[in-house]
Amino acid sequence: GNSVTQMEGPVTLSEEAFLTINCTYTATGYPSLFWYVQYPGEGLQLLLKATKADDKGSNKGFEATYRKETTSFHLEKGSVQVSDSAVYFCALSDHTGRRALTFGSGTRLQVQP
Amino acid sequence: DGGITQSPKYLFRKEGQNVTLSCEQNLNHDAMYWYRQDPGQGLRLIYYSQIVNDFQKGDIAEGYSVSREKKESFPLTVTSAQKNPTAFYLCASSRASGGTDTQYFGPGTRLTVL
Repeated sequence: GNSVTQMEGPVTLSEEAFLTINCTYTATGYPSLFWYVQYPGEGLQLLLKATKADDKGSNKGFEATYRKETTSFHLEKGSVQVSDSAVYFCALSDHTGRRALTFGSGTRLQVQP
Repeated sequence: DGGITQSPKYLFRKEGQNVTLSCEQNLNHDAMYWYRQDPGQGLRLIYYSQIVNDFQKGDIAEGYSVSREKKESFPLTVTSAQKNPTAFYLCASSRASGGTDTQYFGPGTRLTVL
């Protein structure tokens, strides 16, 4: 079956530091890959996505590249802000079967001023 | 504004009671989903519906039931058979089921069993 593995948190960084959150996946075929962000007490918001190998998704300074050879979709940001503090979820959606999202366990990011 | 609404935001249930969580969308999406989130964990799929009057079990459907009588609405009932219902429940919708389509999430309902 499908699965997503994320690095465990919390990740604690100082403002303006570089961020990497690792995500690897196992899936049949060629899934679409997503990063969602969840702020305290809220639902999930789409941060970025990529639908085929070598695609780069980007939004609000965050980037992630779909690497089929390493089955990875690592999230990066060059300079984090306090307002980026949240929980980040990596997810995949396959193109066969039930087609629902499979989520990683989430990584909490804490950015200190 | 288009979006997904969930109500109530907070819900308290006594043991042995059934409760229904509301989910409404005005995005004209065909597919809708219910997920459960427990502290420190990812989301797990309870039920999903690809079209009106049809729905499928997800990974943790036991103790839950749904209906899809209207395109806009996908209510979730947590029955007394659900042994540990305290969790954060999230509803989502997408234009079609799976593939490249983005799922959009509601703000969630936090259910607590007293």
